[in-house]
Amino acid sequence: GNSVTQMEGPVTLSEEAFLTINCTYTATGYPSLFWYVQYPGEGLQLLLKATKADDKGSNKGFEATYRKETTSFHLEKGSVQVSDSAVYFCALSPGDSGGGADGLTFGKGTHLIIQP
Amino acid sequence: NAGVMQNPRHLVRRRGQEARLRCSPMKGHSHVYWYRQLPEEGLKFMVYLQKENIIDESGMPKERFSAEFPKEGPSILRIQQVVRGDSAAYFCASSPVSWLAGYEQYFGPGTRLTVT
Repeated sequence: GNSVTQMEGPVTLSEEAFLTINCTYTATGYPSLFWYVQYPGEGLQLLLKATKADDKGSNKGFEATYRKETTSFHLEKGSVQVSDSAVYFCALSPGDSGGGADGLTFGKGTHLIIQP
Repeated sequence: NAGVMQNPRHLVRRRGQEARLRCSPMKGHSHVYWYRQLPEEGLKFMVYLQKENIIDESGMPKERFSAEFPKEGPSILRIQQVVRGDSAAYFCASSPVSWLAGYEQYFGPGTRLTVT
């Protein structure tokens, strides 16, 4: 079956530090890959996505590249801010399902803490 | 365009009572997904519905849990005879039929169920 593994947290960084959160996946076919962010007490918000190999998703200074050869989708940001403190989830959806079938498979989440 | 709406945001039930969680998808979305987030864990897929149809309920516990998405009105996740282990955040997501666009799900703010 499908699975997503991401680095465990919490990850604590100082403001303006470089961020990497690792994510690897196991899936059949050609899945789409996502990063979601969850702020305290809120639901998940889509941060970025990539739908095929070598695609780079980017948003709000965050980037992730879909690497099929290493089955990875690592999240990076060059200079983090205190407001980036949240829980980040890597997720995949099956690539061979027509019509939007099936749910997303999520990693366990990485709690990111940015200190001023 | 209003986002995915869930209510109530917080729900407290005693053991043995019933819990009903409601989800109104985004306008124009005909696919609804329910996920459960246990403390310190990622989201787990429960069920996927279209109007009047359950498409995939592979993540639903076999007993006490049911879901529906009627022709009119919100989707309902129903938990009968709740137990303490049902305490969790329950998230609803919706999507248009757009798997060709990479299958993006939009999440609601969640319902936090506490069983006492």
